[in-house]
Amino acid sequence: NAGVTQTPKFRILKIGQSMTLQCAQDMNHNYMYWYRQDPGMGLKLIYYSVGAGITDKGEVPNGYNVSRSTTEDFPLRLELAAPSQTSVYFCASNQLAGGPSVSYNEQFFGPGTRLTVL
Amino acid sequence: AQTVTQSQPEMSVQEAETVTLSCTYDTSESNYYLFWYKQPPSRQMILVIRQEAYKQQNATENRFSVNFQKAAKSFSLKISDSQLGDTAMYFCAFMPVQGAQKLVFGQGTRLTINP
Repeated sequence: NAGVTQTPKFRILKIGQSMTLQCAQDMNHNYMYWYRQDPGMGLKLIYYSVGAGITDKGEVPNGYNVSRSTTEDFPLRLELAAPSQTSVYFCASNQLAGGPSVSYNEQFFGPGTRLTVL
Repeated sequence: AQTVTQSQPEMSVQEAETVTLSCTYDTSESNYYLFWYKQPPSRQMILVIRQEAYKQQNATENRFSVNFQKAAKSFSLKISDSQLGDTAMYFCAFMPVQGAQKLVFGQGTRLTINP
């Protein structure tokens, strides 16, 4: 299994540009999450999804959109990039509680995408 | 809303020493999980140890152990026989059992192990 994969690894955007951060998992996890990590800080939840077609806001959703059309993919969309969105973005997934996985509460993280908005 | 506080922005110890990282949290939930994550310079998030709030016994994983004080809402991480590879950012995190299992992270402690 590849686990949780994210593309791209790095990206530089100009103010006002748009882009989509891709996230995919091959573990058949129901739950998926997007976090952002500002320099020297912990991760904060942007959006999450409890299954295909179901998404909800986290702590810092402004300026972002998500969709979940399949179990595997959970892309994050930035419509009008701003310098405040300069951050490292992490995607994560885990299994719905009660599922077959032994460590069903563990969230598995992708390697992150470093985004700079200039 | 839950909050997680790590009051030590940076710590530094010599190799082979024991070091303890502090974490406090605030919640009205009765059932939850607590975690310590390690983030090396590669920035990969690595789960170090997990504690279930309903378990009184402190979790241990090889050189890593926790001191979980539920009444005080305290969750410290002890690293014994520290190694150079333990150098990393360490994050304490909270997750309620009910709902979407969203993680709430502390601000992190930068740990440096010196040779």
